[in-house]
Amino acid sequence: TQLLEQSPQFLSIQEGENLTVYCNSSSVFSSLQWYRQEPGEGPVLLVTVVTGGEVKKLKRLTFQFGDARKDSSLHITAAQPGDTGLYLCAGGDGGSNYKLTFGKGTLLTVNP
Amino acid sequence: GAGVSQSPRYKVAKRGQDVALRCDPISGHVSLFWYQQALGQGPEFLTYFQNEAQLDKSGLPSDRFFAERPEGSVSTLKIQRTQQEDSAVYLCASSPWRGRGEWGPLNEQFFGPGTRLTVL
Repeated sequence: TQLLEQSPQFLSIQEGENLTVYCNSSSVFSSLQWYRQEPGEGPVLLVTVVTGGEVKKLKRLTFQFGDARKDSSLHITAAQPGDTGLYLCAGGDGGSNYKLTFGKGTLLTVNP
Repeated sequence: GAGVSQSPRYKVAKRGQDVALRCDPISGHVSLFWYQQALGQGPEFLTYFQNEAQLDKSGLPSDRFFAERPEGSVSTLKIQRTQQEDSAVYLCASSPWRGRGEWGPLNEQFFGPGTRLTVL
C-alpha cells in the first residue's frame, strides 16, 4: 500500500508570512496532485506535477516534485486569510490505475 | 455550468438503519468515483464506475456497502445496517476520462461537497 505523509498536520500563521508544507512517501508516484479543501466542501485541484524535479507556480503558490518522485512541497508566499483550508496531496501510480492515494492533509489557518 | 452535487448534505442515522446517498455528476462525465473521508483524514477510495459499469469496488469496506449507477449518470451509495464506524463524509467525484488509454494527470476529478453521515 502506498502511503503519503504530510507535515505539519496543523499550521497557524499571520497574514503576510511565508510557509512550506510537505508531502513524503517511500513509494514512487507517476504524478502528484495538490488539493485545497474548505469546510463543508469537496477538495479542489490546485496543480498536478508529473516530472521529477518539476516546479510549478500558481500566483503565490509554488509546487515542487522531488527528483525521485517520492516527495513534494507546497510553498505559499505572503499568505492571506483566503488561503485558509486543508491542503491535501494525492498520488497516482500511473498506468491504468486511476485510484488516488491521499495524505491526511495540512490544516492551514492564516490569521488577519 | 453545474458542478457535482450530492444529497443529502447531512444525514443522521441510528445504528442499524439503512441509508442511501445520492450523487449527480457533471453532465457528460463518464467516470464516477466514491470516496470516504473520516474526521481528520484524507479521502479514501471506495469504488469507480465507467458509465453504468462498476469496474472497481475494491475500496468498499464491507458487504454492507453497495453502489450503483444504473443509467450511467446519477449514482447512489447505499449502506445497510449502519455502524458507528461508518460515520464520515462521503465524497463523490466525476471525470471526463473515458476509460481508454492511460489515466493521465490531466484527467481531473471534480468533487462534490460531500454528505456528512453521522451514525448514533
